[in-house]
Amino acid sequence: AQKITQTQPGMFVQEKEAVTLDCTYDTSDQSYGLFWYKQPSSGEMIFLIYQGSYDEQNATEGRYSLNFQKARKSANLVISASQLGDSAMYFCAMITRLEYGNKLVFGAGTILRVKS
Amino acid sequence: DVKVTQSSRYLVKRTGEKVFLECVQDMDHENMFWYRQDPGLGLRLIYFSYDVKMKEKGDIPEGYSVSREKKERFSLILESASTNQTSMYLCASSWRGDLEYEQYFGPGTRLTVT
Repeated sequence: AQKITQTQPGMFVQEKEAVTLDCTYDTSDQSYGLFWYKQPSSGEMIFLIYQGSYDEQNATEGRYSLNFQKARKSANLVISASQLGDSAMYFCAMITRLEYGNKLVFGAGTILRVKS
Repeated sequence: DVKVTQSSRYLVKRTGEKVFLECVQDMDHENMFWYRQDPGLGLRLIYFSYDVKMKEKGDIPEGYSVSREKKERFSLILESASTNQTSMYLCASSWRGDLEYEQYFGPGTRLTVT
């Protein structure tokens, strides 16, 4: 069964510094994908970045990059130059194929607080 | 812009009541999903639907049912609400097909069962 583990319940980072949020996964599938979502205190889930299992390069989206290490089954999110608005819950999720669609499995999440 | 809406942001119901949570998406997505979110557990899939009138159980379907009579609308039903169903409920939708198609989420419904 697929599983996502986020070992950091909470993190603090100083404004303008970089921070890494950890994510490890477990799957026997050859084809899968990894997502990171942000959930501010307002509750909506915001898509940040995606990495496919066959992508050879690490995904990047603006200040977000995904450090994908397939052999170690890790997909850590790196946020560069943290801003106060980055304070939120962050979820790592894995998507796998089902017979009739795709399924997302989420980790428990990491709360990030950016200090000024 | 994709929009996923949910009928209520906050809902308070009594134990034993039948509860309907409605979700509507405006992007003609084939797939629709219902999750519940609890502290320390992340989001867990309750049910999903890949087409009209089609449904599949997720990881925690017990105590819930769903209905999808129209492509844009996916309803979650709590037949007899219980206090352990107090939670945040999130609806999502996505295209069917490639894995990179992200799921778009609604704002969530915070349900309290007393």
